[in-house]
Amino acid sequence: EAGVAQSPRYKIIEKRQSVAFWCNPISGHATLYWYQQILGQGPKLLIQFQNNGVVDDSQLPKDRFSAERLKGVDSTLKIQPAKLEDSAVYLCASSQGQFIMNTEAFFGQGTRLTVV
Amino acid sequence: GENVEQHPSTLSVQEGDSAVIKCTYSDSASNYFPWYKQELGKRPQLIIDIRSNVGEKKDQRIAVTLNKTAKHFSLHITETQPEDSAVYFCAASSQDSGYALNFGKGTSLLVTP
Repeated sequence: EAGVAQSPRYKIIEKRQSVAFWCNPISGHATLYWYQQILGQGPKLLIQFQNNGVVDDSQLPKDRFSAERLKGVDSTLKIQPAKLEDSAVYLCASSQGQFIMNTEAFFGQGTRLTVV
Repeated sequence: GENVEQHPSTLSVQEGDSAVIKCTYSDSASNYFPWYKQELGKRPQLIIDIRSNVGEKKDQRIAVTLNKTAKHFSLHITETQPEDSAVYFCAASSQDSGYALNFGKGTSLLVTP
């Protein structure tokens, strides 16, 4: 089966600029996650969607980060304006569903963001 | 929220030896504990998982044990090979958290020939 697709793979921007990342989950997966992975650390959840609704965005810095999942399929994550500390790999993951037991989360290749 | 602690942060073993990585979690409602392997520049991939209704699970050279009372779980890799070298992450999730994975900080495992 096709995996989780993310684009772009790499992005370099100057601080205070804006950037957007795109994710296409595995077909049929209702749950979509965005994680931030800073170098040398574990992935940190930013936002979780169930279909097109937000389940958890408690760790999303809402003053600069936004995310949407229109039509419950693809998702975009935006940062505006970017700060130096936003430099990280942004991982998208998807799983079959939220309320049918825990199921494996499949990760995309990630987008490596460098803010200079 | 859930807090997952992982130790050690780095681990070096000789080929053929065993490697053990330990994690503790704080939320007693957590009931799913996967382990992910991440090679340099690649995506995290699930290698084994365990649910709270079992105490141990094995898959060839990999095993995971869970102690619900103590709220800790461990990854055991036997007969290590150089291709086992990677960063390993433990995670925990519960229905309360919407089944989102809370990750430990990772263990960098180096297997030397």
